[in-house]
Amino acid sequence: SQQGEEDPQALSIQEGENATMNCSYKTSINNLQWYRQNSGRGLVHLILIRSNEREKHSGRLRVTLDTSKKSSSLLITASRAADTASYFCVTGDYKLSFGAGTTVTVRA
Amino acid sequence: GEEVAQTPKHLVRGEGQKAKLYCAPIKGHSYVFWYQQVLKNEFKFLISFQNENVFDETGMPKERFSAKCLPNSPCSLEIQATKLEDSAVYFCASTRAGTGYGYTFGSGTRLTVV
Repeated sequence: SQQGEEDPQALSIQEGENATMNCSYKTSINNLQWYRQNSGRGLVHLILIRSNEREKHSGRLRVTLDTSKKSSSLLITASRAADTASYFCVTGDYKLSFGAGTTVTVRA
Repeated sequence: GEEVAQTPKHLVRGEGQKAKLYCAPIKGHSYVFWYQQVLKNEFKFLISFQNENVFDETGMPKERFSAKCLPNSPCSLEIQATKLEDSAVYFCASTRAGTGYGYTFGSGTRLTVV
């Protein structure tokens, strides 16, 4: 169920810096979701952006969506150690397709 | 808060033994899904239910895998005659009817086949 590419595969940043990750997908979508997975844990839903939306914010998260390029980005501002996790972009309505994930490490 | 409850957290089975995993979805969520995470960043869709009915089972290796979601019972995923390659983390998720809702995932069951 792998939909597309995420870039970069891994990201290491200092606490307080911003982290940006990108995702590309292949098929047309109704919405796109971002999830976080902490090591050894389940997936936590972060944000859902609909196909007719271009940008969405939730706390320190900002998601953009460009359906013409079939791409999305997730920005985490003012990162914290607790943001260390893998982040997945996910498409699909009743059968999710996952990107390959970006592993983010936030250094104290 | 509301959560998808998966049991057990860890399960170890000898090759050829049966494994049964359970999932209690969030009340009011009509859809239940099972995913298999074999490698760290790869998720494979197995099966979905709309209430107690199979919605999509295109990901299920049917010869050994089966799943049920019966009323008033936790959903279950059963693997007959486990193989080494079944070792993975199995996640259950649930969501409301209609598109545009996020999924709530359980914390997973780690199955190790030895």
